[in-house]
Amino acid sequence: KNEVEQSPQNLTAQEGEFITINCSYSVGISALHWLQQHPGGGIVSLFMLSSGKKKHGRLIATINIQEKHSSLHITASHPRDSAVYICAALSMEYGNKLVFGAGTILRVKS
Amino acid sequence: GAVVSQHPSRVICKSGTSVKIECRSLDFQATTMFWYRQFPKKSLMLMATSNEGSKATYEQGVEKDKFLINHASLTLSTLTVTSAHPEDSSFYICSARNQGYTEAFFGQGTRLTVV
Repeated sequence: KNEVEQSPQNLTAQEGEFITINCSYSVGISALHWLQQHPGGGIVSLFMLSSGKKKHGRLIATINIQEKHSSLHITASHPRDSAVYICAALSMEYGNKLVFGAGTILRVKS
Repeated sequence: GAVVSQHPSRVICKSGTSVKIECRSLDFQATTMFWYRQFPKKSLMLMATSNEGSKATYEQGVEKDKFLINHASLTLSTLTVTSAHPEDSSFYICSARNQGYTEAFFGQGTRLTVV
């Protein structure tokens, strides 16, 4: 079992739909990252959070420390949101290194 | 967010040659830099962690003599793939972090093809 599990692995949505990607982790963390990787490969850090909720534009990230669970929501999805979304736990058990989920491949159709 | 610049974005080299990849933090001091390798349709695999002014710490199974890492300044780390072989073809990406901050920022990645 991976220390960081994401679901779903693949997600296809219609433009405008509300999207949720889930992340569960089993390691102790000091923070959790949500990352976006576009087909070209570059990675953008969307959020880093250790409690509660953060919002940036159409993106919302939440974390429940007790349940060891985080979600990334995209409101009013758009084809340009198509990318791989990666959950990464900054793990105290691994010397404050990032432990990555397998990623969720999102495709938003127009 | 902070900017990390990685260069080159793509490189093709012949077997047996060495390739150097640079990772620069443009607007902050990167006390720690991480080098990752990503296989197709897989997540990132940490290769090594480098702290400015000291030797890099390599993950288990990563050959330190093959993947030379230098972090000589607070804004620059380099990864040199020595005596490259086709199996070294991969996507390499760096990230940088400033001391005291938990957020890491990623470079654009380098697609290495060894022919």
